[in-house]
Amino acid sequence: QLQLQESGPGLVKPSETLSLTCTVYGGSISSSSYYWGWIRQPPGKGLEWIGSISYTGSIDYNPSLKSRVTMSVDTSNSQFSLRLSSVTAADTAVYYCARRLATYYYQYWGQGTLVTVSS
Amino acid sequence: EIVLTQSPGTLSLSPGERATLSCRASQTVNNRYLAWYQLNPGQAPRLLIYGASSRATGIPDRFSGSGSGTDFTLTIRRLGPEDSAVYYCQQYGSSPDTFGQGTRLEIK
Repeated sequence: QLQLQESGPGLVKPSETLSLTCTVYGGSISSSSYYWGWIRQPPGKGLEWIGSISYTGSIDYNPSLKSRVTMSVDTSNSQFSLRLSSVTAADTAVYYCARRLATYYYQYWGQGTLVTVSS
Repeated sequence: EIVLTQSPGTLSLSPGERATLSCRASQTVNNRYLAWYQLNPGQAPRLLIYGASSRATGIPDRFSGSGSGTDFTLTIRRLGPEDSAVYYCQQYGSSPDTFGQGTRLEIK
C-alpha cells in the first residue's frame, strides 16, 4: 500500500520561505503514470490545489500561487518538495501531499502537516 | 477557473439513513472529470469517487456518484458512525483544479 508522509517546520516567520518534503513509501516515484501534488487547507476553509509535478519535472502550478511556488522531485530518495516564498498569515494551513493519476484525481494522500506563519 | 459550490454545508442524519450531497459547478465539467473525497481530522483524505460515478478501489457500494455537466451528487446509503466526515468534490477537467468548500456530514 502506497503511503505518503509530509515533513518540515511547523512554524515559519512572515516573509520567509515555507519548505516541505513528501516521502513516498511502498511505491515508485519514477512512473510516467503519476504526478505528485500539493494541496492545502487553511483553518476553517476548503481545499486549495497548489501544484503538481511529474518525476521528469513536468510542472503545473495554481496561477494564484505560481509566482511564489517551486516544486521539485528527488527520485533517489523517493521524495518531492514544495517551497513557498514570501509567506504571510494567509498561508497558514494544513499542507497535504498526494499522488495523482496523470493530471486527474488524487489517489493517495498524506495525513497532512500544519504549517503556521507567525512571528 | 471553475467554482464548485457544495450543499448543504452541514447534514445531520441518523444511522441507516441515506445522505445526498450536491456539488454544482459554475461551468460545465469536462468529461465528467469530477471526484469526491472524504476527510477526517488527523487522517489522510480518502478518494471515494472519480469520473463522477466510478468508485475508487476498496470503497463500498454504499457510496455512489452521479451527474454530469454542472450538477453532481454523492449518495451514501445505510449511514454508519464511520461516515461522519467532511466531503469535498474536486473538478479536474479544467486547469486549475478546484475543490468545493465541503459538506460536513454528522451522524446523530
